[in-house]
Amino acid sequence: DTAVSQTPKYLVTQMGNDKSIKCEQNLGHDTMYWYKQDSKKFLKIMFSYNNKELIINETVPNRFSPKSPDKAHLNLHINSLELGDSAVYFCASSQDGAGRTDTQYFGPGTRLTVL
Amino acid sequence: AQSVTQLGSHVSVSEGALVLLRCNYSSSVPPYLFWYVQYPNQGLQLLLKYTSAATLVKGINGFEAEFKKSETSFHLTKPSAHMSDAAEYFCAVSSYTGGGNKLTFGTGTQLKVEL
Repeated sequence: DTAVSQTPKYLVTQMGNDKSIKCEQNLGHDTMYWYKQDSKKFLKIMFSYNNKELIINETVPNRFSPKSPDKAHLNLHINSLELGDSAVYFCASSQDGAGRTDTQYFGPGTRLTVL
Repeated sequence: AQSVTQLGSHVSVSEGALVLLRCNYSSSVPPYLFWYVQYPNQGLQLLLKYTSAATLVKGINGFEAEFKKSETSFHLTKPSAHMSDAAEYFCAVSSYTGGGNKLTFGTGTQLKVEL
């Protein structure tokens, strides 16, 4: 009964390929997020969706395209992968994306390695 | 823009000793602050959060943090370290931007607990 799950856990691919990471939450939350953690463990938000609608896009290259088929799912598709995309990608969810005190619940992460 | 600074990227303590992890914030509005812990190869887990209800916040696993406006600080403490506390700790500030809420993280502090 994992609250926020991501697949796959590990992803190794070649430069130029296209790949997707899937995220699902069973908490009934309205808002979902994607964060990127680089090799120095610095975490930065990429996107957030509220009820399937994009509300935050933090100047991420348009090779990254999030898709939310319903409010329990937020997938991340990456086109033309580059070496610099290698990182750990975390999905998170919160009850209400407008509440600054809301707790964000994180998934286990997907480690992407681009060769 | 709101930000947090974590002093000390690595902290080492003996088992049973006091744990003190430092976090200072910068915010033009009353801040809402969070401490998350990341165990190796896992996602982030909330330890505690400050939402202005009380300046001393108690969290899970015996951790607590005190909000000090005069010092713009939100340091994390635990009276007695346990081997299981070894992990990466992140301080974060919540901000509202473009219709949504996001967390801005510090650079993290790696806690090592020695026998």
